[in-house]
Amino acid sequence: DIQMTQSPSSLSASVGDRVTITCRASQTINNYLNWYQQKAGRAPSLLISAASNLQSGVPARFSGSGSGTDFTLTISSLQPEDFATYYCQQDYTTPYSFGQGTELEMK
Amino acid sequence: QVQLVQSGAEVKKPGASVRVSCKASGYTFTSYNINWVRQATGQGLEWMGWMNPNSGNTGYAQRFQGRVTMTRDTSISTAYMDLNSLRSEDTAVYYCTTLDQGLWGQGTQVTVSS
Repeated sequence: DIQMTQSPSSLSASVGDRVTITCRASQTINNYLNWYQQKAGRAPSLLISAASNLQSGVPARFSGSGSGTDFTLTISSLQPEDFATYYCQQDYTTPYSFGQGTELEMK
Repeated sequence: QVQLVQSGAEVKKPGASVRVSCKASGYTFTSYNINWVRQATGQGLEWMGWMNPNSGNTGYAQRFQGRVTMTRDTSISTAYMDLNSLRSEDTAVYYCTTLDQGLWGQGTQVTVSS
């Protein structure tokens, strides 16, 4: 099974900061990597698919990069609505697996 | 409106079974696989398995093999997830999702308690 490891597990930042979250797969997954945002009490929301494809309606301050085993999610200028938990997920092979999550908190 | 709408909260006793439904609307139900993901309170996301609504083919995570069954009724564009032999550790919110097509149900709270 492929293990997904995110770092950091939590992050304190301020509005306007540039933030980067990393996700590492235990074996190559090409670009089969999705990023989700989840707010308390809500279902996750897909931000980026296939490592770098921004979903319709997602602000351009979000971007994704990487291939193989190492991936990043970057928020170029944090907005108040971005404080949430972020998950990466591989859909290269089953069992599909999620990272443990990164909780982004307001400093 | 493209959406997945799930059935309501359930409270079950240990050893019982639960069925969660997931009704698709606004798109062709057979176009995308339905996955089931669960999340215990304060915990991360756990993938349980997938189902192809067209063929009915399924694949389950090893830890749920023998306890979970995913089915569908294409006539009403609805997917089902049955989980049996429930234990307290199965208490969680259960989601249906198309994953990289971006559709998620609203979640169904399943509570297992004596």
